[in-house]
Amino acid sequence: QQQVKQSPQSLIVQKGGISIINCAYENTAFDYFPWYQQFPGKGPALLIAIRPDVSEKKEGRFTISFNKSAKQFSLHIMDSQPGDSATYFCAARTGNQFYFGTGTSLTVIP
Amino acid sequence: DGGITQSPKYLFRKEGQNVTLSCEQNLNHDAMYWYRQDPGQGLRLIYYSQIVNDFQKGDIAEGYSVSREKKESFPLTVTSAQKNPTAFYLCASSSQQGDTEAFFGQGTRLTVV
Repeated sequence: QQQVKQSPQSLIVQKGGISIINCAYENTAFDYFPWYQQFPGKGPALLIAIRPDVSEKKEGRFTISFNKSAKQFSLHIMDSQPGDSATYFCAARTGNQFYFGTGTSLTVIP
Repeated sequence: DGGITQSPKYLFRKEGQNVTLSCEQNLNHDAMYWYRQDPGQGLRLIYYSQIVNDFQKGDIAEGYSVSREKKESFPLTVTSAQKNPTAFYLCASSSQQGDTEAFFGQGTRLTVV
């Protein structure tokens, strides 16, 4: 059973547009929600993370929106660039266990 | 530089052979993990270890084995019992203190030939 559900599976956005990736969870024991960016043949790298007591966190062009009551969180990439083309994973942590979404393949068209 | 080092980057195995993937970290993290990544399936947990000399099975442990004799090292052996071992393998580590994420190595791509 997938503990963290991620959508869409793939996303194509024009350069300069907004990319939005959504995740949902059920386990209220999750206490930390990181997002990872992965380029082909490389390991995932942390992009941005949020705690459930915060509704929004912004770092540059990347913003996490968090809705604790709905158990949903999303990644927004503003002014999307071709260099943002990668696979993005949401994750949720409880204790020392991390649960990952199935990933979203983002393609930004010039 | 602090980080996680996986080796080799590419590995080829003949059917019926065991192979061992190396993972070393110098981040002083207590917890270490092995994930398998297949296209369209995200990251699936194979094994994890929270302290030296202790480890637990993840969701897809069958056909794999691990050891944790040192804090810095968490090698993964892919045994001949693993029926479909061709995949991208990722090692990660994390601290057990505070807000911290998992840090990943650069992965090992294993191909059965």
